[in-house]
Amino acid sequence: AQTVTQSQPEMSVQEAETVTLSCTYDTSESDYYLFWYKQPPSRQMILVIRQEAYKQQNATENRFSVNFQKAAKSFSLKISDSQLGDAAMYFCAYRGNTGNQFYFGTGTSLTVIP
Amino acid sequence: DTEVTQTPKHLVMGMTNKKSLKCEQHMGHRAMYWYKQKAKKPPELMFVYSYEKLSINESVPSRFSPECPNSSLLNLHLHALQPEDSALYLCASSRDGLIYEQYFGPGTRLTVT
Repeated sequence: AQTVTQSQPEMSVQEAETVTLSCTYDTSESDYYLFWYKQPPSRQMILVIRQEAYKQQNATENRFSVNFQKAAKSFSLKISDSQLGDAAMYFCAYRGNTGNQFYFGTGTSLTVIP
Repeated sequence: DTEVTQTPKHLVMGMTNKKSLKCEQHMGHRAMYWYKQKAKKPPELMFVYSYEKLSINESVPSRFSPECPNSSLLNLHLHALQPEDSALYLCASSRDGLIYEQYFGPGTRLTVT
């Protein structure tokens, strides 16, 4: 089975600053998809951003961008101009090109300091 | 409409009770999932349904029984649960066969007394 590793259990950032959350994964597949999900306290898990492995260009969604390094099997999330509403658990997830199973990392709890 | 709904939001049940959790989506997704999530932990996959057929069962105890009556509806029947089964139960859906993200419901907070 694929493994997804998030080595930072907790991170903090000053409001309006930039923070990067790291994620690495292990796979033998050449085609796959990567996601970052956000889960605010007692709230719904929502998709932040997705990256297709065949695309060299890093995905961007407003203040959220990724640094995808396929050879290094690294998929970090950068949050720019951090806002109080960004405080949440962030999960990195992997899905291969067959089957329906998603593999989640252990999560990073992000605190935004006003 | 990108919404997955779950009922009830909260459930308290005794170890001898029988209850059911319900999940619904109207996005035309053909893959539906049940996850169990403990506080500050990632979701743990329990079951996957693909085109209304059970495709993955992650060695879940038989006191959890999933059911997919149609392509929009997913149930999780609970019977004789243990206190350690207390958790947030998440439902999710995605397009099957293609590489699409999952959409999650808000979850049911289950407490077993």
